[in-house]
Amino acid sequence: AQKITQTQPGMFVQEKEAVTLDCTYDTSDPSYGLFWYKQPSSGEMIFLIYQGSYDQQNATEGRYSLNFQKARKSANLVISASQLGDSAMYFCAMREGVKLTFGTGTRLTIIP
Amino acid sequence: DAGVTQSPTHLIKTRGQQVTLRCSPKSGHDTVSWYQQALGQGPQFIFQYYEEEERQRGNFPDRFSGHQFPNYSSELNVNALLLGDSALYLCASSLRLGSQFFGPGTRLTVL
Repeated sequence: AQKITQTQPGMFVQEKEAVTLDCTYDTSDPSYGLFWYKQPSSGEMIFLIYQGSYDQQNATEGRYSLNFQKARKSANLVISASQLGDSAMYFCAMREGVKLTFGTGTRLTIIP
Repeated sequence: DAGVTQSPTHLIKTRGQQVTLRCSPKSGHDTVSWYQQALGQGPQFIFQYYEEEERQRGNFPDRFSGHQFPNYSSELNVNALLLGDSALYLCASSLRLGSQFFGPGTRLTVL
């Protein structure tokens, strides 16, 4: 069974609009961490935001926020006021123990 | 503050050869993880090194081996290369179980 599911292979969004990238996860471990990474065409994985399973509040980092719904096992990334430089692949990942398990990613394209 | 660095950037090898990839962690980090990312896929965990020992290993054959040095830098070795080993190899560093920060990757092509 897939542990991290990203159901949107690609998305097109108008510049300055907000965008939500979906991520659902599956684990029986009560302690886990959820991450979002951005991967531009250059290949480097850029860390965006982290949410711990015991965190009471949704994580925020600048224009990025994580909509964490524990009962639904979802951890959607919200990007406010999208910019052309946000065009990239976005990966959701879950940490169980020491390793990260990644989803298949969503390719986000921002339209001017 | 230097981030994670990897060398080389690109590499072309032929089937059956051996390859060594290198990684220097972000300053202050002591743990290094390696991931393989095939085209169009998410990264797959290979293994993690902490205190110069392999702490955990993913579902990869013994052809994949690694090492961590006292200065926390790390090498990934792949023996008897197969066409299917062609991928982007990503190194990530962290302070123990903290957030992992990735390097730019090494793109390996096996012909």
